Amino acid sequence: QSALTQPASVSGSPGQSITISCTGTSSDVGGYNYVSWYQQHPGKAPKLMIYDVSNRPSGVSNRFSGSKSGNTASLTISGLQAEDEADYYCSSYTSSTTYVFGSGTKVTVL
Amino acid sequence: EVQLVQSGAEVKKPGESLKISCKGSGYSFTSYWIGWVRQMPGKGLEWMGIIYPGNSDTRYSPSFQGQVTISADKSISTAYVQWSSLKASDTAMYYCARLGGGNGVADYWGQGTLVTVSS
Repeated sequence: QSALTQPASVSGSPGQSITISCTGTSSDVGGYNYVSWYQQHPGKAPKLMIYDVSNRPSGVSNRFSGSKSGNTASLTISGLQAEDEADYYCSSYTSSTTYVFGSGTKVTVL
Repeated sequence: EVQLVQSGAEVKKPGESLKISCKGSGYSFTSYWIGWVRQMPGKGLEWMGIIYPGNSDTRYSPSFQGQVTISADKSISTAYVQWSSLKASDTAMYYCARLGGGNGVADYWGQGTLVTVSS
């Protein structure tokens, strides 16, 4: 069970939009609408940002949105802000009835 | 208020055993899966496995099957992960998380337990 594939880093200027991809297989991302996204600041526990591909938990800014096409899920951050600088991880349910994280993406706000 | 409070940092020697804990409060502990996540120094998140405290149904990620034991004591709303013989490569931060959505939605997280294994 390999980690889902994410770009190592993505950067953008304040106010811009960025998109982070998360590529898996038909046994995980492509097979289920159970993709979540987590934000992790240094030294902190992860925080849920998106669940079930495109749903936002209460309290998460609507600047964060999720989508999926085939075996690839995506997280878009619009109106990029300094506080968005963090590591982001996708996670998916798998056909093995377990879960797998993505490799992680470091977002830098220029 | 939902809270997951983990046990404190541990420093162990290779070959020693260890059990770390995660105590849930503010919700029905037996009604939600608990997941354990490893984060090695400077690395990404890895699902270790999950447990349903209501009936102790446990599922391990392939990389962790046979390497750790996940358990829960519903009488004290506490989940555990244990090692029988630690290795230096077990050095990591370990997080527990409540799976609120029933499909891998880790909506609440513990503060993490740092385990250091060194001779």
